[in-house]
Amino acid sequence: DVKVTQSSRYLVKRTGEKVFLECVQDMDHENMFWYRQDPGLGLRLIYFSYDVKMKEKGDIPEGYSVSREKKERFSLILESASTNQTSMYLCASNRVKNEQYFGPGTRLTVT
Amino acid sequence: AQSVTQPDIHITVSEGASLELRCNYSYGATPYLFWYVQSPGQGLQLLLKYFSGDTLVQGIKGFEAEFKRSQSSFNLRKPSVHWSDAAEYFCAVGAGDNDMRFGAGTRLTVKP
Repeated sequence: DVKVTQSSRYLVKRTGEKVFLECVQDMDHENMFWYRQDPGLGLRLIYFSYDVKMKEKGDIPEGYSVSREKKERFSLILESASTNQTSMYLCASNRVKNEQYFGPGTRLTVT
Repeated sequence: AQSVTQPDIHITVSEGASLELRCNYSYGATPYLFWYVQSPGQGLQLLLKYFSGDTLVQGIKGFEAEFKRSQSSFNLRKPSVHWSDAAEYFCAVGAGDNDMRFGAGTRLTVKP
């Protein structure tokens, strides 16, 4: 069965902290994505990766970076967390031109 | 760039009633289209997808959707709603190799 896992379901961090969100997929998918989800705004793409060490900015990359050292793992990094980054973060993966599979999400609160 | 509009932010239906959730998209060519469902605190689960062929597609949990090119729509339907269908529903349009756009979502409440 297809599986995308995220390292934490809930996370509370302080302003200015460096935050790592990890995502792992077991489907050998080429593409991996990070979205943030806020009420009324749907899902907004932060970054995606189409291969190991390759990445592309999405619609809202400011304040975020990513890392993909292995095909199955895609990390989202908040270099210096701010309160406006409090949100639900969703990771997804897919094969090219196919549906995306989502992880359960990480609800991040920055205080 | 493609975009997706879900005109209804919140819909309430009675259990056993029929349901239609609206989705309109803007894209120059024929995109591939999806409906996802999200239960509270969970990730998104694929309900159904359209790539080509028959414009009426069947999905899981008794849902179906119809692609209407002339109206740029991909509305989701279910003939009889169950209380467990209460969730948020997202329409998405894909284009190219990697690009996918999501609508803002429609929250469904089911009255007993």
